[in-house]
Amino acid sequence: QLQLQESGPGLVKPSETLSLTCTVSGGSISGDNYFWDWIRQPPGKGLEWVGTFYYSGNTYYNPSLKSRLTISGDTSKNQFSLKLSSVTAADTAAYFCARRYGSGSYSDYWGQGTLVTVSS
Amino acid sequence: QSVLTQPPSMSAAPGQKVTISCSGSSSNIGKNYVSWYQQLPGTAPKLLIYENNKRPSGIPDRFSGSKSGTSATLGITGLQTGDEAAYYCGTWDSSLSVVFGGGTKLTVL
Repeated sequence: QLQLQESGPGLVKPSETLSLTCTVSGGSISGDNYFWDWIRQPPGKGLEWVGTFYYSGNTYYNPSLKSRLTISGDTSKNQFSLKLSSVTAADTAAYFCARRYGSGSYSDYWGQGTLVTVSS
Repeated sequence: QSVLTQPPSMSAAPGQKVTISCSGSSSNIGKNYVSWYQQLPGTAPKLLIYENNKRPSGIPDRFSGSKSGTSATLGITGLQTGDEAAYYCGTWDSSLSVVFGGGTKLTVL
């Protein structure tokens, strides 16, 4: 059974960099047609796609976050990561990692999510 | 402002049927598959429907999906109190982005 687990600080100061890692177990991130997403959800609001890692090294970013965002992956550790710089209170959200099947573009496995609060 | 449009809230009585709409455009729903997710309070979203109308293993046939043109619909029959949740539609957009609806909070009265 595939499992995804987010890890990282739960509190980040304004203007600093938010860093999260998703560790995947029970399957490999190096598979054709599987894309590895970061999705966030501000408290009480809807889902927002943040960006995607593909094992070939390709990355895809939400245009509204692109200037501050870096997504990377380490296939040897079966992990992918998110770095969001110059954070503000508007970046406070639950951050989920998820696996998406490309051609159908649906997310079938999700991590439990981790709440990141931006506050001094 | 979400790319896909859903009604913010809906309500229905136990045992009844509800349909949740998701409206998009020719750059997203019009040319790509739609998926639906159920999010119970305090939990991660769960895949309910994929490729417009397919149900993953373990999802009861009370849940159904359809797509026509640039809109999609999630149907739930025989409503149960356990169906009270937020429901999201999602798809791929030609701008090379994953897009979601704003979510519909379903109340089972």
